[in-house]
Amino acid sequence: GAVVSQHPSRVICKSGTSVKIECRSLDFQATTMFWYRQFPKQSLMLMATSNEGSKATYEQGVEKDKFLINHASLTLSTLTVTSAHPEDSSFYICSADDGIYGYTFGSGTRLTVV
Amino acid sequence: AQTVTQSQPEMSVQEAETVTLSCTYDTSESDYYLFWYKQPPSRQMILVIRQEAYKQQNATENRFSVNFQKAAKSFSLKISDSQLGDAAMYFCYNNNDMRFGAGTRLTVKP
Repeated sequence: GAVVSQHPSRVICKSGTSVKIECRSLDFQATTMFWYRQFPKQSLMLMATSNEGSKATYEQGVEKDKFLINHASLTLSTLTVTSAHPEDSSFYICSADDGIYGYTFGSGTRLTVV
Repeated sequence: AQTVTQSQPEMSVQEAETVTLSCTYDTSESDYYLFWYKQPPSRQMILVIRQEAYKQQNATENRFSVNFQKAAKSFSLKISDSQLGDAAMYFCYNNNDMRFGAGTRLTVKP
């Protein structure tokens, strides 16, 4: 099946610093990738749609200047949490449409801002 | 606005028994896909089953099957012969707007 690799799996950073999360489609090309955020015991909430070669589309209420998305190639999308604060601590998951099986998800990144 | 509704926050089933998880959705599109994903404690999202809206036949994957009622916008998941490894959060997903339902926590009792 299709595989989406997400790194890092866990990251702890100091308040005010920036953190980059990578999402790679390993065996298929993804013109579109999706970034979700999941708080404990809650569902996944779509943050933004990442489009290869163009600007990302952000959901209402998501600050595009805080959550920078870059989709520079057909296999890589990155999410950078800028000037992170404790309230940004969460579980971030990416996904991509592999065109065969459906939407394949990365293994997620647990971000803790201290 | 919530477009995917899972009305059962928690469900419990005895091992080897059958359980049905409910999901309703809202869309104005005629062609779309619906999915059920499983999220175990590892938090990895695992595709359980998918249904193409233009297909009338209900999708089946081994012990997992769906009851897709397009007119009623209902998409329930039936798990037969439940196993301990089925215990997880289950999310219903609509690809029209990439939204998940709130999830149902399934517990399997030995």
